[in-house]
Amino acid sequence: NAGVMQNPRHLVRRRGQEARLRCSPMKGHSHVYWYRQLPEEGLKFMVYLQKENIIDESGMPKERFSAEFPKEGPSILRIQQVVRGDSAAYFCASSLVGDMNTEAFFGQGTRLTVV
Amino acid sequence: QKEVEQDPGPLSVPEGAIVSLNCTYSNSAFQYFMWYRQYSRKGPELLMYTYSSGNKEDGRFTAQVDKSSKYISLFIRDSQPSDSATYLCAMTGGFKTIFGAGTRLFVKA
Repeated sequence: NAGVMQNPRHLVRRRGQEARLRCSPMKGHSHVYWYRQLPEEGLKFMVYLQKENIIDESGMPKERFSAEFPKEGPSILRIQQVVRGDSAAYFCASSLVGDMNTEAFFGQGTRLTVV
Repeated sequence: QKEVEQDPGPLSVPEGAIVSLNCTYSNSAFQYFMWYRQYSRKGPELLMYTYSSGNKEDGRFTAQVDKSSKYISLFIRDSQPSDSATYLCAMTGGFKTIFGAGTRLFVKA
């Protein structure tokens, strides 16, 4: 049973380009959470999705960021017109039920570098 | 004031030492309290969680929650070099989990 798969592991984008980060949850998990981690900082909640629905996007910047979790395929975090401040590690987690208290599992993260 | 405060360290101890990691928080609505371990360049992995106040033990690890003081702790007994990692406290009252900044721990052989 594969864990949470994120790809790519490393992504380099020039300022102004688009970044697409993918997250395939664990088998059977229908809840996905995206977090951002800046150096020397903890994980900051961005968005919580269930299949085809955004449940809570209160942690996501209003501009340039969007997320989806379609019926088929991975969850996608999209960052348009990236800026240097977007450089960070982006982690997704998935869970069987709609909370992160117990059986939530994180992927290995995508490290985005904006040059 | 941050919702969760955690000393970033680094904390350096000799092998075999007892390690104490701590967090304070401000939101009394938190009900679940977790500790995650994160190795360099890896994703966080859940070590253990506690519901409400009390203690929980799992092998060399003990988690303590004191809701009256809004203070949580993780103790590691007989620390090993393989315990060297960043430890993140986390807490939630629902589906949104709030993380501390993490404490970097180094266990020297």
